[in-house]
Amino acid sequence: GNSVTQMEGPVTLSEEAFLTINCTYTATGYPSLFWYVQYPGEGLQLLLKATKADDKGSNKGFEATYRKETTSFHLEKGSVQVSDSAVYFCALSGINNAGNMLTFGGGTRLMVKP
Amino acid sequence: DSGVTQTPKHLITATGQRVTLRCSPRSGDLSVYWYQQSLDQGLQFLIQYYNGEERAKGNILERFSAQQFPDLHSELNLSSLELGDSALYFCASSVKGSMNTEAFFGQGTRLTVV
Repeated sequence: GNSVTQMEGPVTLSEEAFLTINCTYTATGYPSLFWYVQYPGEGLQLLLKATKADDKGSNKGFEATYRKETTSFHLEKGSVQVSDSAVYFCALSGINNAGNMLTFGGGTRLMVKP
Repeated sequence: DSGVTQTPKHLITATGQRVTLRCSPRSGDLSVYWYQQSLDQGLQFLIQYYNGEERAKGNILERFSAQQFPDLHSELNLSSLELGDSALYFCASSVKGSMNTEAFFGQGTRLTVV
């Protein structure tokens, strides 16, 4: 079945540092890939997505490239801010036993210090 | 604000009891999805409804059930509650029958079973 593996946190960075959160996936077919973010006390919000190989999703300074050859979708940001502190979830949408919905990774907590 | 409304925000109840969680999807969205978020199992898909009918089923216990009403709001019923059912329950909605484009999440209902 489909699965997503992302690096465990927490990841603690100083403001303006470079961020990478690794995500790899296992899926049949050609899934769409997503990064969702969860701020404290809130639901998940879509951060960015990519629907086919070599696509780059980007939003709010975050980027991720769909790499089919390495089955990866790593999240990057060049300069993090304190306001980026949140939990980040990598996810894929593809046909699985339960139909076409999101399969999530375990989440990575990011803490950015001033 | 995602446009998805979940009530109540917090719920504390005793083992063996039954509770109902409610979700109102975004205006125009036909699909509703329920997810359970727990510390040990992460985000697990429970069930999906599309335009009033069950579309897909994930890791939902037999003690749990859901339905979607003609006005498209959905309810998740949890019965014979156990301590291990304590979790954050999210509802999400999307326009179509899949999460391949974007799904919008509510803020969740935090259930504590004591």
